[in-house]
Amino acid sequence: DTGVSQNPRHKITKRGQNVTFRCDPISEHNRLYWYRQTLGQGPEFLTYFQNEAQLEKSRLLSDRFSAERPKGSFSTLEIQRTEQGDSAMYLCASSIFGLAGGPLRSGELFFGEGSRLTVL
Amino acid sequence: AQSVTQLGSHVSVSEGALVLLRCNYSSSVPPYLFWYVQYPNQGLQLLLKYTSAATLVKGINGFEAEFKKSETSFHLTKPSAHMSDAAEYFCAVSWGSGSARQLTFGSGTQLTVLP
Repeated sequence: DTGVSQNPRHKITKRGQNVTFRCDPISEHNRLYWYRQTLGQGPEFLTYFQNEAQLEKSRLLSDRFSAERPKGSFSTLEIQRTEQGDSAMYLCASSIFGLAGGPLRSGELFFGEGSRLTVL
Repeated sequence: AQSVTQLGSHVSVSEGALVLLRCNYSSSVPPYLFWYVQYPNQGLQLLLKYTSAATLVKGINGFEAEFKKSETSFHLTKPSAHMSDAAEYFCAVSWGSGSARQLTFGSGTQLTVLP
């Protein structure tokens, strides 16, 4: 399977604990995005990377949230001191963007199946 | 602020009937527009996208959408609903260079197809 992979698919934790989610993008994709989706709502942008550089962060991404993509491949999203309001589906997506010796390519986002977080 | 509005959080149609899911955006700058579908416990799948080429866009599974600048709309249609179309549908917008670097999603429309 060469799609976007997210782990774990489900995480139940107690308030105050730290959790970490991992995303493995499609291998040739240089952009990676994190979104959060709560029940009955559309996904909300959190942050995105181009290669290893984090280019944009939403105001939704509080100080308790940190995302990394150290080698420009997989990414992790860590939530420290979880709160009940953090309960949501965390979606990862990847895309290809850039010149690469030809016309500017701006590809669609491919989404993973998400990591569902429940904070008790 | 730029926003996306999906009218109707739930839409029910009979199998074989027309599907119409509404999406309006607010922007003074022409956007890039997308429709995604999400099946239970799955990620989002792109149905179709508008990127300033033809205003009528055809997508997968028989869906199409028409960009109407004067109405700031991008409604999704399918002539004949199938049971397998039951899912949640999201309209999304991106502004800027065309790179879908930051999509703004609507709140979604749950489509139910009745036998």
